[in-house]
Amino acid sequence: AQSVTQLGSHVSVSEGALVLLRCNYSSSVPPYLFWYVQYPNQGLQLLLKYTTGATLVKGINGFEAEFKKSETSFHLTKPSAHMSDAAEYFCAVNGNNRLAFGKGNQVVVIP
Amino acid sequence: DTGVSQDPRHKITKRGQNVTFRCDPISEHNRLYWYRQTLGQGPEFLTYFQNEAQLEKSRLLSDRFSAERPKGSFSTLEIQRTEQGDSAMYLCASSLAPGLAGADEQFFGPGTRLTVL
Repeated sequence: AQSVTQLGSHVSVSEGALVLLRCNYSSSVPPYLFWYVQYPNQGLQLLLKYTTGATLVKGINGFEAEFKKSETSFHLTKPSAHMSDAAEYFCAVNGNNRLAFGKGNQVVVIP
Repeated sequence: DTGVSQDPRHKITKRGQNVTFRCDPISEHNRLYWYRQTLGQGPEFLTYFQNEAQLEKSRLLSDRFSAERPKGSFSTLEIQRTEQGDSAMYLCASSLAPGLAGADEQFFGPGTRLTVL
């Protein structure tokens, strides 16, 4: 079965600094990978996705992620954190007609 | 179309009571999913429908849980004899049918937060 692992539940980053959230996947077939963001008491919003093709994927709000098959990774980055980036971020893999999510990263942005 | 909607947004109930949640998917989406999210965890798959057919149920979906999508449009999730362990956010998502462009993407509703006292 497909799965993803996110380490470090809470991530603190200074405003203007690099945001880096790590995601490693396990999949027996070529994976479809996603990053979602969740603001308090809201549903999930898609940031970006990788299905096939270009391994560097750009998403909304200045985020991007790179699919690295050799490392089974799909890390999320943003060059410069903004206060509005404070939220919870989930990595997910699509398989067997459902999404399997990681435990999430709670991002805190320090002014 | 404004996306996936869920009602109610919040529900507080006493242990042993029955509750029902509703999800209205994006109108052209054939597939509808239910997930449960507990505090500090990612969403976990419960079940999904293609049109009105319920095609799969997770082992998380005990006999007290039942989901329906009677006309292939909106869906309901009912929990009977609620327990404190049922307290969670229940998320609904929808997507296009497999094979269509963009079918890999699921669109989520705002969720229903259930608190069982």
